[in-house]
Amino acid sequence: KNQVEQSPQSLIILEGKNCTLQCNYTVSPFSNLRWYKQDTGRGPVSLTIMTFSENTKSNGRYTATLDADTKQSSLHITASQLSDSASYICVVSMGDYKLSFGAGTTVTVRA
Amino acid sequence: GAVVSQHPSWVICKSGTSVKIECRSLDFQATTMFWYRQFPKQSLMLMATSNEGSKATYEQGVEKDKFLINHASLTLSTLTVTSAHPEDSSFYICSARPGAGEQFFGPGTRLTVL
Repeated sequence: KNQVEQSPQSLIILEGKNCTLQCNYTVSPFSNLRWYKQDTGRGPVSLTIMTFSENTKSNGRYTATLDADTKQSSLHITASQLSDSASYICVVSMGDYKLSFGAGTTVTVRA
Repeated sequence: GAVVSQHPSWVICKSGTSVKIECRSLDFQATTMFWYRQFPKQSLMLMATSNEGSKATYEQGVEKDKFLINHASLTLSTLTVTSAHPEDSSFYICSARPGAGEQFFGPGTRLTVL
């Protein structure tokens, strides 16, 4: 069964601190893995996309890693800001239009 | 970047009425559009896939007669929730794809059925 599991389910961090979100997947075949940011009441916005051969990808303060052997990915947020408060969703593409979505990690940044 | 819009952004309706949600790709032609539903604190769940000019393909468990999808042009797809009931209350998100590339998501529509 194609699954994408994210952890933790939620976390609270202080402004300026760093945090790391985890994503484990059992999706096959694998085409690429994306991290999305979804603000409350809004659609997902793409942060990073990585293919099988890519180990890391950065987008500003967001850095994603991918270990295709262990089928694990992480999203690291550096120097968090209040605007980083959102749900972060790990999405694995199976090569066609099919996407497998994780349930997301809700990040709350407090001043 | 590619922009996808949805209208309305939120809607409240009475039980038994029908509601239409529009999804538009603003700066590209979308050969394929997708409709998702998201319940609170849950993942996006694909409801159906529509290709311009052809019938939509529905995921297992999604009633095609209840969720009518029309993809009449390369920039517009509509989802009509017919005879809506409170259990249909959800966040509906569309996405659009130019060719075989990445899906771009709309901002979502919050449907509340009273």
